[in-house]
Amino acid sequence: AQKITQTQPGMFVQEKEAVTLDCTYDTSDQSYGLFWYKQPSSGEMIFLIYQGSYDEQNATEGRYSLNFQKARKSANLVISASQLGDSAMYFCAMGARSDSGTYKYIFGTGTRLKVLA
Amino acid sequence: DTEVTQTPKHLVMGMTNKKSLKCEQHMGHRAMYWYKQKAKKPPELMFVYSYEKLSINESVPSRFSPECPNSSLLNLHLHALQPEDSALYLCASSQSTTAYTEAFFGQGTRLTVV
Repeated sequence: AQKITQTQPGMFVQEKEAVTLDCTYDTSDQSYGLFWYKQPSSGEMIFLIYQGSYDEQNATEGRYSLNFQKARKSANLVISASQLGDSAMYFCAMGARSDSGTYKYIFGTGTRLKVLA
Repeated sequence: DTEVTQTPKHLVMGMTNKKSLKCEQHMGHRAMYWYKQKAKKPPELMFVYSYEKLSINESVPSRFSPECPNSSLLNLHLHALQPEDSALYLCASSQSTTAYTEAFFGQGTRLTVV
């Protein structure tokens, strides 16, 4: 069965510094996608970045980059130049095949990031 | 436009009430999802619709009844809920149900059952 593990319940980072949020995954599929979402206190899940298992280069989206190490089964999110508005819960997710063949998204337990002024 | 709209944003209902949550997207996505999220926990999948057909039901109690009237609209009908059903209910959509397609979420409905 597929599984996502986030081992950092909470993280602090100083404003303007970079921070890495850890994510490891387990799957027997050869092809898969990995996603990161941000959830502010308002509740909305905001899609940040995607990495496909066959992508040779690490994904980047603005200040977000994904450090993808396939052999280690890790997909860490790097946020550069942290801003106060980055304070939120961050979830790592992947597409997981259900018994019916339909894919669903499974989530890690999340990391709460607090950016300090 | 990557917007998924959920209404209402907040809902308080009694255990004998019947209410419905609504979710709408106009991105042409053919997969839609309902997730339940308790405080400080990750979202838990409830239902998946693919091409307007129920594709996954994660053994959700029958007091939750999903409906997909068309490709843009997803409802969740609620009846005889329990206080432990109080949670944030998130709707999402994706282009299709594959491993590689990101899902876009609505702002959620915060449900309180009294």
